[in-house]
Amino acid sequence: EVQLVESEGGLVQPGGSLRLSCVASGLTFSDYWMSWVRQAPGKGLEWVANIDQDASEKYYVDSVKGRFTISRDNAENSLFLQMNSLRVDDTAVYYCASGMVELDYWGQGTLVTVSS
Amino acid sequence: DVVMTQSPLSLPVTLGQPASISCKSSQSLVYRDGNTYLNWFQQRPGQSPRRLIYKVSKRDSGVPDRFSGSGSGTDFTLKISRVEAEDVGFYYCMQGTHWPPTFGQGTRVEI
Repeated sequence: EVQLVESEGGLVQPGGSLRLSCVASGLTFSDYWMSWVRQAPGKGLEWVANIDQDASEKYYVDSVKGRFTISRDNAENSLFLQMNSLRVDDTAVYYCASGMVELDYWGQGTLVTVSS
Repeated sequence: DVVMTQSPLSLPVTLGQPASISCKSSQSLVYRDGNTYLNWFQQRPGQSPRRLIYKVSKRDSGVPDRFSGSGSGTDFTLKISRVEAEDVGFYYCMQGTHWPPTFGQGTRVEI
């Protein structure tokens, strides 16, 4: 059974930073592109970023470019999202998902709240 | 960015009856490899999204066969042949053909 488990999010002040992680099991992690998708409270889904199998290709939605960094550690079956210069409108549940655009498996999500 | 427009945004349904959700894209979703990267996701209340359909009409493992996807080019449809209580929630289409991947606004299915 494939499992993707995100780390706990939290409350961060505007301008602050937070690092999310996602640990994968039940799949050969190093064979997969991986993605982050977010969902603001009561809103729809928004793709945030993705990364290829060996971290040589990384892509971001325009609204997070220059502030967020996606990375991975294949030895630890882990995906990361470093979020800097956080804004109130970054408040959302963040999901990790497998695939570049396939998004066939999803984690349970973690809530990041940006507020003063 | 490619805009994905779903309709209706709210869909009252009757148990045992069919239901249909439309998804229209602002550009053709046919990729240069000939594939059409159009997914459908279900999000039950309080749960993570779950993929139901990929490449327009391919059903994921474990997805009941009452769910089907169809369409081509810019017009796509998700159909539920006979709605069950567990089908309540939000449904999203998503295109992966053009960068960045984009989702529809979501359709709320309620009994």
